[in-house]
This record gives sequence, C-alpha cells and structure tokens, in this order.
Amino acid sequence: AQRVTQPEKLLSVFKGAPVELKCNYSYSGSPELFWYVQYSRQRLQLLLRHISRESIKGFTADLNKGETSFHLKKPFAQEEDSAMYYCALSGTNDYKLSFGAGTTVTVRA
Amino acid sequence: GAGVSQSPSNKVTEKGKDVELRCDPISGHTALYWYRQSLGQGLEFLIYFQGNSAPDKSGLPSDRFSAERTGGSVSTLTIQRTQQEDSAVYLCASSSGLPHNEQFFGPGTRLTVL
Repeated sequence: AQRVTQPEKLLSVFKGAPVELKCNYSYSGSPELFWYVQYSRQRLQLLLRHISRESIKGFTADLNKGETSFHLKKPFAQEEDSAMYYCALSGTNDYKLSFGAGTTVTVRA
Repeated sequence: GAGVSQSPSNKVTEKGKDVELRCDPISGHTALYWYRQSLGQGLEFLIYFQGNSAPDKSGLPSDRFSAERTGGSVSTLTIQRTQQEDSAVYLCASSSGLPHNEQFFGPGTRLTVL
C-alpha cells in the first residue's frame, strides 16, 4: 500500500520568511514524488516533481529515501505563494497519484 | 489548445437520483483520470483510463460508481442512487501515455446531494 502524509493542515508565514512544507511517504518500491498546487479559484497544477529536479517559483524539494520524505522548501516566501499544496506519490510503472491531505499556506505581508 | 474541460461545473441533485459527469481531456492525451476532492477525505483516486480501457478501477468507492471513455477522448462518470456522502468536487485529469507524466486537471464538477 502507498500513503502520503502531510502533517500540517495550515501553515502561516510572513513575507520574506522561509517556508517548509513537510511530506512523508510510505511505499515499498521506488516512488516518484510530486508537489501539486492549487491557487485560489484556479485548477490544481503541477509545481514540481522529483524526476525533473527543477526549481519552480523558487521552490525546491529533495527526496530523502532514508527518511521517506519529500519536503517542499522556499527560502523567501511571497504573498503569491498563498495556496493549497498537495504532495503526491506515483508508484513504479504506475499512473495514478496518491495525494496527501494538503497544506494550506498563507503568506502574510 | 484548450485544457481539460468538465461539465457541469455545479450539480445539485436529490438523494437517490443518478448523475452523469463529463470530462473532455486535452487532445492527444491517452491517459485520463478521475479523482474526488472532499472535506473529510482529501483528494482520492477513483479510476484511470488508458485509451478506452480502465486498467485501474481500484478507487471506485462502490458499485454505484461507474465510468466509461469512448473514442479515446470524452469520459463520463456515472453515480447511481446518489447519497449525501457522494457530495464532493469531482476532478478529471489527463496526461500523455507514460507513467509519471504531468497530469493536467480540469476545473472540477461540484456535486451536492441534498
């Protein structure tokens, strides 16, 4: 079975402060990990994925297989980062995504 | 081209009625997915299509739920004898044919069962 855990439902930070969203997973094989984001009144969209190792909008995420984590980080939060963030996992040769419960991030001025 | 579209955007129905939700994927995307977003359960996978076949239906919560896809394009999710716990936002996504490719989501259909 595969499971994704996002322990924080809500996260509030000040503009310019660092932000870290936690994600832990449970999967017996080699998973592919993603972060999806949903801004207010917009569609759910891909933010970044482990396989591409990109930095998008200043966000990065490192896969730590020892700790089974894929935390999302940004050194200086901006007000436009306020959104709902979902960590997701796809199993080996699998197509579907298993999502965490999501973390709502509010960046205050 | 247009993104994934879904209709209707909102549906209010009475308990016990059947509903059909429609998804138009991005042209050329062979993979199509249905997910459900609800307050208590977060984002749950329902079913996945590759072409017109559904290799993974493991997320369908009961036999009241069914889905089909025709012509490798449009998909319909049908919920029979709706219950109040079916109230949720139903999201459709599509992707090109390889595992782990980016999934592009539609705007969702908000279903309310009274």
